[in-house]
Amino acid sequence: DSGVTQTPKHLITATGQRVTLRCSPRSGDLSVYWYQQSLDQGLQFLIQYYNGEERAKGNILERFSAQQFPDLHSELNLSSLELGDSALYFCASSVESYTGELFFGEGSRLTVL
Amino acid sequence: AQTVTQSQPEMSVQEAETVTLSCTYDTSESDYYLFWYKQPPSRQMILVIRQEAYKQQNATENRFSVNFQKAAKSFSLKISDSQLGDAAMYFCAYRRTRSNDMRFGAGTRLTVKP
Repeated sequence: DSGVTQTPKHLITATGQRVTLRCSPRSGDLSVYWYQQSLDQGLQFLIQYYNGEERAKGNILERFSAQQFPDLHSELNLSSLELGDSALYFCASSVESYTGELFFGEGSRLTVL
Repeated sequence: AQTVTQSQPEMSVQEAETVTLSCTYDTSESDYYLFWYKQPPSRQMILVIRQEAYKQQNATENRFSVNFQKAAKSFSLKISDSQLGDAAMYFCAYRRTRSNDMRFGAGTRLTVKP
């Protein structure tokens, strides 16, 4: 158990809909990262927050947005969903913004029909 | 841009044998971290081993060890005495010091034969 909690574990929705994925980092971790893993692919970095502030953006679509709240949990919002958005979305956390390994949650599997 | 290449999409090993997974990376930085993550069928990403670029000594974690060749930008993972539970996708990852994101390779699927 990494200590990173993601909900929901599985989500099935239709094209055009909007979903929110939630992540609670490990206790004491200030940084939260979001990654997307499409079927049998590597992990693509989406976005990172540190103590409530956006720190880095990767290949995140404009239809996607995220935020980190004062209690440090984070939400990833995916809107106008397309079939290609079906993927496993991972949240990870770390103690500091710039150093060390990331601790991953179990992921949220999104299926868009 | 930093890229991570895993040239072996699939590997297999006999139980109790040794296998080496390859990883190369491209960077102009001198200070960075390298990682191997394991992703079993449960899909959880589990850290296997990490290496700081400034350390010349290769990292070791029980049956897992790395061969870090900084000049060649190579970072291979050796799994000794392979066990059935080692079957998983293995991802090599790079993170520049004072950088916000971690870059992953495409992964190597390891099969362990009984």
